[in-house]
Amino acid sequence: DAGVIQSPRHEVTEMGQEVTLRCKPISGHDYLFWYRQTMMRGLELLIYFNNNVPIDDSGMPEDRFSAKMPNASFSTLKIQPSEPRDSAVYFCASSLAAGGYEQYFGPGTRLTVT
Amino acid sequence: KQEVTQIPAALSVPEGENLVLNCSFTDSAIYNLQWFRQDPGKGLTSLLLIQSSQREQTSGRLNASLDKSSGRSTLYIAASQPGDSATYLCAVRGNTPLVFGKGTRLSVIA
Repeated sequence: DAGVIQSPRHEVTEMGQEVTLRCKPISGHDYLFWYRQTMMRGLELLIYFNNNVPIDDSGMPEDRFSAKMPNASFSTLKIQPSEPRDSAVYFCASSLAAGGYEQYFGPGTRLTVT
Repeated sequence: KQEVTQIPAALSVPEGENLVLNCSFTDSAIYNLQWFRQDPGKGLTSLLLIQSSQREQTSGRLNASLDKSSGRSTLYIAASQPGDSATYLCAVRGNTPLVFGKGTRLSVIA
């Protein structure tokens, strides 16, 4: 398997623009997670899905952030409108099931909002 | 709310030294603990996964231990090499998905 795939790898945009990040989990994994990493706050969970259904979005910082998982092989994280403080690395991860299963991470998308 | 702390935040050692990285967590009701490695500008690579019922896991020169009751884990790296230089992250999984520490940035000097 190719692992978790994320696109784009780098995104530079201006404040106020819409940003869409994409993720393809490992085939057969039931869980998908979106994380954000900053120097100040480290890695934080934003939202996670089980079988394409959002389970917990309490980590989503504001209504400007939204995530969808239309099918088992694709998820998006959208920021609209973007702000400079959204600049971070966004990671997608997947796992086979809950509990004791290992999480596998994608390479991340480095977002810069100017 | 689960909190994960890693000490030290940064560590620099000469090549060949054995070293220990520490991780502590506040809520002992966990399913597992995972150690990751992150190279600059890269994603996370899983190193070791310890289930809550296990005491330790080993992979090559790496050994991770878990003391769930005291809320502690250690990652032991034997005979360190410059290629081990990276940030090491500890994460625990309980009723919520992974909660991460801020990591230990390791530099191994040749």
